[in-house]
Amino acid sequence: DVKVTQSSRYLVKRTGEKVFLECVQDMDHENMFWYRQDPGLGLRLIYFSYDVKMKEKGDIPEGYSVSREKKERFSLILESASTNQTSMYLCATGVYTGNEQFFGPGTRLTVL
Amino acid sequence: AQKITQTQPGMFVQEKEAVTLDCTYDTSDPSYGLFWYKQPSSGEMIFLIYQGSYDQQNATEGRYSLNFQKARKSANLVISASQLGDSAMYFCAMREADISNFGNEKLTFGTGTRLTIIP
Repeated sequence: DVKVTQSSRYLVKRTGEKVFLECVQDMDHENMFWYRQDPGLGLRLIYFSYDVKMKEKGDIPEGYSVSREKKERFSLILESASTNQTSMYLCATGVYTGNEQFFGPGTRLTVL
Repeated sequence: AQKITQTQPGMFVQEKEAVTLDCTYDTSDPSYGLFWYKQPSSGEMIFLIYQGSYDQQNATEGRYSLNFQKARKSANLVISASQLGDSAMYFCAMREADISNFGNEKLTFGTGTRLTIIP
């Protein structure tokens, strides 16, 4: 079974702090994705990566950056957290030719 | 314009009844895929079913089936004989082929439908 883990289930940070959300997958998948989920808005793609050191902006990249130094690890970085970044963050992984994406358990981030 | 539209924010259904969750999509790409995911209160996203745009038959997976009406751009999820454990958020999603960037398989999600099964 594919396992996708995220570093924290719940996180509370203060405005202006730098925040790192880590995602690790153990199935050697090429693609990795970061989404945020907000009520009434569904899941929106922040950034994705289809290879080590490669990254592409999704639909809402403003205020975020990412890092993929190793194939199994994809980090989402909030350079200076703001209250409007309070949300559920979901990491997902997939293969080039596969159909489904596999999701991690999510990190619920609160920025005070 | 919304690429994926789920018009039912919430639904209440009696246990053992069949349920249809609506999803319409918008794309000009001839090659695309449609997905349904379930999200229980625990938060994890669980893949349920997939339909490719060129698939001739409607997809089925156990109690789940996808009513794919290509001309109407509709991909409704049907759950037969609903169970209490089916209570969850359900998301419809679409993957469009991006030939400019091979291997690039982004998903666009709808806003979800919260399904509650009543005993």
